[in-house]
Amino acid sequence: AQKVTQAQTEISVVEKEDVTLDCVYETRDTTYYLFWYKQPPSGELVFLIRRNSFDEQNEISGRYSWNFQKSTSSFNFTITASQVVDSAVYFCALSEARNSNTGKLIFGQGTTLQVKP
Amino acid sequence: DARVTQTPRHKVTEMGQEVTMRCQPILGHNTVFWYRQTMMQGLELLAYFRNRAPLDDSGMPKDRFSAEMPDATLATLKIQPSEPRDSAVYFCASVRGGNTGELFFGEGSRLTVL
Repeated sequence: AQKVTQAQTEISVVEKEDVTLDCVYETRDTTYYLFWYKQPPSGELVFLIRRNSFDEQNEISGRYSWNFQKSTSSFNFTITASQVVDSAVYFCALSEARNSNTGKLIFGQGTTLQVKP
Repeated sequence: DARVTQTPRHKVTEMGQEVTMRCQPILGHNTVFWYRQTMMQGLELLAYFRNRAPLDDSGMPKDRFSAEMPDATLATLKIQPSEPRDSAVYFCASVRGGNTGELFFGEGSRLTVL
């Protein structure tokens, strides 16, 4: 069965701290895709990144970085030098190969990040 | 910027009333999803369409929910009769089929059933 677990329900940090959001997934497929989405207080879901299961190379985009480890079925997200504008709910999601033609996503429960000034 | 447009943004209704939510996907996107977000269940997939045909609506309560795509520019989600447990934010998302890439989400329709 496919499942995404974000064990951290809420995280609170002070501005400029680094913070890592954990994501663990379950799937029987060998080909799959992993995603992170951000949901700011305004409510919309904003795409951050997609990785496919054959690419374990870590990725960095500005203050954001992602660590994908198949051995532990994890796809963790780190924000370096956090800012108040990073305050949001962050969702990790999984799409399996058989759903690759449809884009169907299974979401984790989300982690609420609060960055205090 | 191309956007998924959802209406209404907010809806308050009384139990038993019919509710219709509408979604205009991004032009050229032929796969459309309806998700529901609640505190208890998180983001749940209700139904999705490819080229206007329903691919999977197993996540949707069939007795009261219905989803359609009358044309390529409009997707609708209808609840009849509505119940308080239907209170949630309903998101529409679209993607170009055959490409497991970024789903583009609308801003959501917040439904409150009293």
